[in-house]
Amino acid sequence: ETGVTQTPRHLVMGMTNKKSLKCEQHLGHNAMYWYKQSAKKPLELMFVYNFKEQTENNSVPSRFSPECPNSSHLFLHLHTLQPEDSALYLCASSQDPGTSGGGSYNEQFFGPGTRLTVL
Amino acid sequence: DQQVKQNSPSLSVQEGRISILNCDYTNSMFDYFLWYKKYPAEGPTFLISISSIKDKNEDGRFTVFLNKSAKHLSLHIVPSQPGDSAVYFCAARAFYSGGGADGLTFGKGTHLIIQP
Repeated sequence: ETGVTQTPRHLVMGMTNKKSLKCEQHLGHNAMYWYKQSAKKPLELMFVYNFKEQTENNSVPSRFSPECPNSSHLFLHLHTLQPEDSALYLCASSQDPGTSGGGSYNEQFFGPGTRLTVL
Repeated sequence: DQQVKQNSPSLSVQEGRISILNCDYTNSMFDYFLWYKKYPAEGPTFLISISSIKDKNEDGRFTVFLNKSAKHLSLHIVPSQPGDSAVYFCAARAFYSGGGADGLTFGKGTHLIIQP
């Protein structure tokens, strides 16, 4: 248990569906992230939220839409996905290094991931 | 263009021996490096890290070495145990002065298999 939970763990959807992935962290962190891991590729950063504000969007297609209503919750809304979007989607959280007081580096804690299959 | 490279997709080591996992990087702005361990059906778990101002960091059976001039780091596990069998990811973070959170750049991972 890392203190980061993700639901659902598995999701199968058609290309015309709309679905959402949910992430929740119980660590009191103030930064949250979405990563994507495709087969035989490294984890790729998708979005970064710092204090609920999106600070980075790594050239992600608009069919992926993040939402961060508060520092504990992060959503990834999916619509009109393509089969190549099938992957493991991982959420992570960390303490903003600027406020940690203990140094300037952030260890990210990951959830178990959502295995997404787009048919 | 991969900025963090783990050139060995898999590594097999006998139980009790030393496991050495390697990682190379190309971005000279990286100033913090981390190793994560991942079991099937779980997310990556933080293992150990090292700042660019150090060349070694040790935590129990795990030691990470950093060679900045060669842009190379390695993770040593000694002695290797069956429970160490997992995929190990090298990750790096680039220095910036603006403050706030930043994402990590990951390698593809090395699957470590500890044989009894």
